[in-house]
Amino acid sequence: DTEVTQTPKHLVMGMTNKKSLKCEQHMGHRAMYWYKQKAKKPPELMFVYSYEKLSINESVPSRFSPECPNSSLLNLHLHALQPEDSALYLCASSQEGQGMANEKLFFGSGTQLSVL
Amino acid sequence: AQTVTQSQPEMSVQEAETVTLSCTYDTSESNYYLFWYKQPPSRQMILVIRQEAYKQQNATENRFSVNFQKAAKSFSLKISDSQLGDTAMYFCAFMNLDNNAGNMLTFGGGTRLMVKP
Repeated sequence: DTEVTQTPKHLVMGMTNKKSLKCEQHMGHRAMYWYKQKAKKPPELMFVYSYEKLSINESVPSRFSPECPNSSLLNLHLHALQPEDSALYLCASSQEGQGMANEKLFFGSGTQLSVL
Repeated sequence: AQTVTQSQPEMSVQEAETVTLSCTYDTSESNYYLFWYKQPPSRQMILVIRQEAYKQQNATENRFSVNFQKAAKSFSLKISDSQLGDTAMYFCAFMNLDNNAGNMLTFGGGTRLMVKP
């Protein structure tokens, strides 16, 4: 199983809503990532979890709150988002987050988020 | 910090022909990997090929090969016998292996490739 599963695939929310994005992998990977991708742009890193600890937060606004309940699961909690937060949110995982020689990132198919 | 630059926003190629996508990068790191990812209209990011910086031999994966010029910090992707299914956005990406916080990817701006029948 080399799959990273993201749910939901599409999400429409108002600026006062609270919602969560979910990401799951069963490859035994110990590092998980959230990226944000606007249309026709490259993905931009938001957060990195390594061994279930938040290791990188790329100055993301607090209306985005990541959570890693266990090594297979990564959530992104959304609250009071702005229309400019509309984007594709990609989750990825890799074998181990610190200098392993066989590293590569596996990506999920993303959640397309629209904030009205 | 490192930067990745793809100077060709869009390219097109006839089916069955060969096309080369360019990528340059800037880094002071010595231990890193370089990647090409493909993102078709479905927006799934798919790994195409990886190059370890310490290896002189260029990586190949079936119809895909790279030309890695370490001194020039250049990493181009050659697609041979192009197929309609190769139509996608292609991203060049850099991974610093000496980052203790995680092996994140830094992406270039992307090249949109269209394969024409």
